[in-house]
Amino acid sequence: AQKVTQAQTEISVVEKEDVTLDCVYETRDTTYYLFWYKQPPSGELVFLIRRNSFDEQNEISGRYSWNFQKSTSSFNFTITASQVVDSAVYFCALSEAPDSWGKLQFGAGTQVVVTP
Amino acid sequence: GAVVSQHPSWVICKSGTSVKIECRSLDFQATTMFWYRQFPKQSLMLMATSNEGSKATYEQGVEKDKFLINHASLTLSTLTVTSAHPEDSSFYICSAFRTSGTDTQYFGPGTRLTVL
Repeated sequence: AQKVTQAQTEISVVEKEDVTLDCVYETRDTTYYLFWYKQPPSGELVFLIRRNSFDEQNEISGRYSWNFQKSTSSFNFTITASQVVDSAVYFCALSEAPDSWGKLQFGAGTQVVVTP
Repeated sequence: GAVVSQHPSWVICKSGTSVKIECRSLDFQATTMFWYRQFPKQSLMLMATSNEGSKATYEQGVEKDKFLINHASLTLSTLTVTSAHPEDSSFYICSAFRTSGTDTQYFGPGTRLTVL
């Protein structure tokens, strides 16, 4: 069963628009990590954020922000004032339980296309 | 930050040949490394967990005799695709798990394998 769901396959925006990427996860563990990665056309994964299950504080880093809501099992990602360089595939991922730290279960990814 | 390298970055081979891909952690020791596979326009799927000095643990559906993993040192894991076929063509990405300090996973840049 899919444990990480990214329902949006592709999102197209015009530069300077905001874009929000949805991520819904499923786990029975009380301790887990959630991640967001960016994969530009080069293919190399770029780490964006890691959040543990006990920290529900929202986080902002420059134009990026994340909204973690355990009540809805969601970990959404917003890019504010998008730029062409933000065009990439974005993956949400889940890592469960101490004995599986490091094993990431990825969502299907969301392709973001930012046009000038 | 920590760096993980992969070699080669891309390889083209004939059907039936074997291909070895190396994953190195350049500035830290990694007792655990992971191998992922990504088909075009798809997500990353975990293939196996590579443990230094012991046998790799394969995910369900991954043929261990076809994808040989060796983790002979704390900085090197190799993935050998034996008797490669066109359906093995994919993007192979490794990651190294750093357990000193905060548990953090670092991804390599990936290896693109094309089997003719």
